[in-house]
Amino acid sequence: KQEVTQIPAALSVPEGENLVLNCSFTDSAIYNLQWFRQDPGKGLTSLLLIQSSQREQTSGRLNASLDKSSGRSTLYIAASQPGDSATYLCAAPTGANNLFFGTGTRLTVIP
Amino acid sequence: EAGVAQSPRYKIIEKRQSVAFWCNPISGHATLYWYQQILGQGPKLLIQFQNNGVVDDSQLPKDRFSAERLKGVDSTLKIQPAKLEDSAVYLCASSLISGEQYFGPGTRLTVT
Repeated sequence: KQEVTQIPAALSVPEGENLVLNCSFTDSAIYNLQWFRQDPGKGLTSLLLIQSSQREQTSGRLNASLDKSSGRSTLYIAASQPGDSATYLCAAPTGANNLFFGTGTRLTVIP
Repeated sequence: EAGVAQSPRYKIIEKRQSVAFWCNPISGHATLYWYQQILGQGPKLLIQFQNNGVVDDSQLPKDRFSAERLKGVDSTLKIQPAKLEDSAVYLCASSLISGEQYFGPGTRLTVT
């Protein structure tokens, strides 16, 4: 069974800093990995999806990398803003596209 | 393009009562998922449908939870009878046969 771990559980940074969120998974037989954002009391917003054949995916100030062999993914956020404050979740599907989620990293960007 | 719709957004019930949630996926998405997210945890898959057939319901507590997807479009998730530990956010998601999943806003259930 896939297990997904996210470190750190919480992170506070001053506005403007670059930061990295980490995600590790135990079953490397994934065909993609998704990063999501969740605001308090809201659903999940998909940020990036990296196919297993890709090493990186970029969207604006976000860059996600995937290393299947080591079972790791990172989400890099450049020039953080207070609006980036949210919980960030990574999820890896196995089998019939069942997503296994980490417990998330709660990010606070201080103005 | 309309996203995944869910209702109600919030529900408060007493233990042993029943409750039902509704989900309307993105048009054309064959696969529909129900996840349970307990406070402080990541979502956990309860059941996955492809069209109107069940692909995976291995983590669905079948003694109290049931779900259906009639006609391969809308879906309902029911809990009967509810327990205190069922308090959670219930998220519905949809995708094409496989690939990127799109989530609805969720239903927050409080069982007292």
